[in-house]
Amino acid sequence: NAGVTQTPKFQVLKTGQSMTLQCAQDMNHEYMSWYRQDPGMGLRLIHYSVGAGITDQGEVPNGYNVSRSTTEDFPLRLLSAAPSQTSVYFCASSLLISTNTGELFFGEGSRLTVL
Amino acid sequence: SQQGEEDPQALSIQEGENATMNCSYKTSINNLQWYRQNSGRGLVHLILIRSNEREKHSGRLRVTLDTSKKSSSLLITASRAADTASYFCAFVNAGNMLTFGGGTRLMVKP
Repeated sequence: NAGVTQTPKFQVLKTGQSMTLQCAQDMNHEYMSWYRQDPGMGLRLIHYSVGAGITDQGEVPNGYNVSRSTTEDFPLRLLSAAPSQTSVYFCASSLLISTNTGELFFGEGSRLTVL
Repeated sequence: SQQGEEDPQALSIQEGENATMNCSYKTSINNLQWYRQNSGRGLVHLILIRSNEREKHSGRLRVTLDTSKKSSSLLITASRAADTASYFCAFVNAGNMLTFGGGTRLMVKP
């Protein structure tokens, strides 16, 4: 099994450009989420989804959009990139986060630099 | 702002010693989890402890949970150089948000 796959692994953008970080999982997980990781800040939740067609905001949603048209895919869109969005982005999925088996499976991360 | 805090932020020990990391949180939780992150990699789930459990073991890992103090600890016994990584606690509080602490960077010297 591939698990959680993120693309691209590295990306450099100019301020104002837009792009989409892709995330796909093959474990039939209902729950998917996006985090950003910054030095000294741990991981902060951007958006999450508890199933196809359902998305919700996390702690730091501004400047990002998500959609969940299928169970497998959960793309993260940067609408107009800003230097403050320079970070490492992680996609993670789980069978069901609120249960006692809510283990998250993480992708390997996408490192984004905005100039 | 994060709802979880970990201490110490960094820990350096010799191989064979035990490593203890602590996590505190502010709200009621369904469960608390610990993750490990090797440099440049994604996080890997280590162990989950439910809110009605007080202690759990998995190999060389021992996790305790004190809901009255809103705190948890992760003990790694007989540490190895390969245990060098960052360790994060995470918990589901209100709704479906899994919130992470700031992490503890552990270095185990051979």
